[in-house]
Amino acid sequence: EDQVTQSPEALRLQEGESSSLNCSYTVSGLRGLFWYRQDPGKGPEFLFTLYSAGEEKEKERLKATLTKKESFLHITAPKPEDSATYLCAVQAPSSASKIIFGSGTRLSIRP
Amino acid sequence: DAGVTQSPTHLIKTRGQHVTLRCSPISGHKSVSWYQQVLGQGPQFIFQYYEKEERGRGNFPDRFSARQFPNYSSELNVNALLLGDSALYLCASSFRTGNTEAFFGQGTRLTVV
Repeated sequence: EDQVTQSPEALRLQEGESSSLNCSYTVSGLRGLFWYRQDPGKGPEFLFTLYSAGEEKEKERLKATLTKKESFLHITAPKPEDSATYLCAVQAPSSASKIIFGSGTRLSIRP
Repeated sequence: DAGVTQSPTHLIKTRGQHVTLRCSPISGHKSVSWYQQVLGQGPQFIFQYYEKEERGRGNFPDRFSARQFPNYSSELNVNALLLGDSALYLCASSFRTGNTEAFFGQGTRLTVV
């Protein structure tokens, strides 16, 4: 069964303390992996798409990487405004239209 | 450019009632997908429509239905509401199906009492 697992469920960091969020997936034939940011009560905001192992993408303090079994979202010197839930999702190989989401990691940055 | 717009933003319904949620995609986007997000979980795929045709369906009962109009806007209908249908309903628009990033609206918060 296609599945996406994110860890940790919650992460509290001090401002400036770098860390990584993990997304492991079990799909046969990955067609695309997505990272989203979601603030409370709002819709997810698109961050990155990764297609193949070894690919990396960066945006401000965020860098996403992809291996054959997992993806990491690295956060460098985070600021309080980076506090949000970060969602990982994969394109289901069985259906081009279906995106499977993980449960997310709730990130809290203390000033 | 306007993003994805959803209406209403909040809704309270009674068990057994019917509800219609609406979504307008980003201009130029022909694909609309619907998701249900329960508190503390990631969004779950309900439907995708592309060029007014259903292109995908998630594991939801037949009480859930949707359609897409010629202007690419979409409606999600839920009949015989249950307490468990209480959730944030998200609409996402993309240019096409397949490996393209989806842009989400702010969602409709549905509460069933």
